[in-house]
Amino acid sequence: SAVISQKPSRDICQRGTSLTIQCQVDSQVTMMFWYRQQPGQSLTLIATANQGSEATYESGFVIDKFPISRPNLTFSTLTVSNMSPEDSSIYLCSVEYGTFQETQYFGPGTRLLVL
Amino acid sequence: SQQGEEDPQALSIQEGENATMNCSYKTSINNLQWYRQNSGRGLVHLILIRSNEREKHSGRLRVTLDTSKKSSSLLITASRAADTASYFCATALYSSASKIIFGSGTRLSIRP
Repeated sequence: SAVISQKPSRDICQRGTSLTIQCQVDSQVTMMFWYRQQPGQSLTLIATANQGSEATYESGFVIDKFPISRPNLTFSTLTVSNMSPEDSSIYLCSVEYGTFQETQYFGPGTRLLVL
Repeated sequence: SQQGEEDPQALSIQEGENATMNCSYKTSINNLQWYRQNSGRGLVHLILIRSNEREKHSGRLRVTLDTSKKSSSLLITASRAADTASYFCATALYSSASKIIFGSGTRLSIRP
C-alpha cells in the first residue's frame, strides 16, 4: 500500500486568510485526489490532480477558491483561499494505487478550524 | 447528491454481536468499496467488490453486492471494541472508474 502524509495535521485560522495543505506520497502515483469532510458528514470530492495537467474540479468547487498544485508524481498541495467559518472541515488527500489502480489510500487528513 | 445512502445512520451493539450495514446506490458501478474512519481521522480501505462479484470475505468482514437492487451490505462478525468507527461505502462509476463517490456513512458503536 501507499503511505501518505499531510501537513499540517490541524490548524486554526482567521477568516480571510489562506492555508496551503501539503500531501506527500512514498511512491510515484498518477492520480491524486482532494476531499473535504465537513463536520459529521461524509467525504466530498473537491478535485482530481494529475501531474503535468490542471486539476479537474467537481461541481461546486472552483480553482480560485481551492487552487491545487501537482509539481511531481509524489506531491500535491491544496490551498483553501479567503477562508470563512464554512470552510472548517477535514481535508484529505488520497491516491490511486495497486495492481488495478482501483483502491484509494488516504492521508491522515488536515483538520481546519476557521474563526 | 450522494451516490450512496447507508443505513442505519448509527448502530450500537454489544461486543461479540454481528454488525450489518447497508449501502444503496443510484447508477451503474465498476466496483464498490468499504472504508473505515476512526474519530475523524484518515480512511482505511477495508474491501473492494467488483460489479461481477456477489460476495467477498476478508477476515471477519463479509461483503455482498446485488447489482439488480443497486445495494451492498457489510457484515462484521464477532464485533470488538476496536471496531467502533464510521463505515463508508464508496462506488466507482463505469463512466469514471477512478473517481469514487462516498455514501453517507454508518456510525458503529460497540458496547463492552
